[in-house]
Amino acid sequence: GESVGLHLPTLSVQEGDNSIINCAYSNSASDYFIWYKQESGKGPQFIIDIRSNMDKRQGQRVTVLLNKTVKHLSLQIAATQPGDSAVYFCAEREYGNKLVFGAGTILRVKS
Amino acid sequence: DSGVTQTPKHLITATGQRVTLRCSPRSGDLSVYWYQQSLDQGLQFLIQYYNGEERAKGNILERFSAQQFPDLHSELNLSSLELGDSALYFCASSVAGESGNTIYFGEGSWLTVV
Repeated sequence: GESVGLHLPTLSVQEGDNSIINCAYSNSASDYFIWYKQESGKGPQFIIDIRSNMDKRQGQRVTVLLNKTVKHLSLQIAATQPGDSAVYFCAEREYGNKLVFGAGTILRVKS
Repeated sequence: DSGVTQTPKHLITATGQRVTLRCSPRSGDLSVYWYQQSLDQGLQFLIQYYNGEERAKGNILERFSAQQFPDLHSELNLSSLELGDSALYFCASSVAGESGNTIYFGEGSWLTVV
């Protein structure tokens, strides 16, 4: 059959604004979630993680929120910079250490 | 730099051929993972090894195989290659194999099958 590429959602933000990237996960039994950033031509880079017994975790300029009731994750980036432009993936960890990735969101930062 | 090293970075080969992708995990990491990233499937888990033993298996085709050696480096072997195997193949590693260990990715090996 014909192969159709993934159509990733795109978030465009102005430099200096805050960004919020959302993700819905599928497995209510998942107990660990991670956000990765992938720049063009590079591998996924770990940003921040959160365990299911938490609902918020903060890092440097980033915050992850977890809502287990609706199986939703979000990544907030404060004062978004041009270097933040990338594809962002959420991932949920299944048995062992297997990661199941979402489709990704493209973040474009306008200067 | 994540500390995970993959070779080769780029590879072009013909259909029907066989290739081997190599991965050196971060120093001290015992677990190695292989992922495939294609335009139509996104990032897909293939297989995980922990200290030389297979730990978990994902969507890995029978034409593909992997192993982890005593020095903890890993190889992914892809045989009878088809056009649809063209993709980025990532290796990743973590300290252990259990949930909660951060997984670090390499820069990937870009495979083009022509």
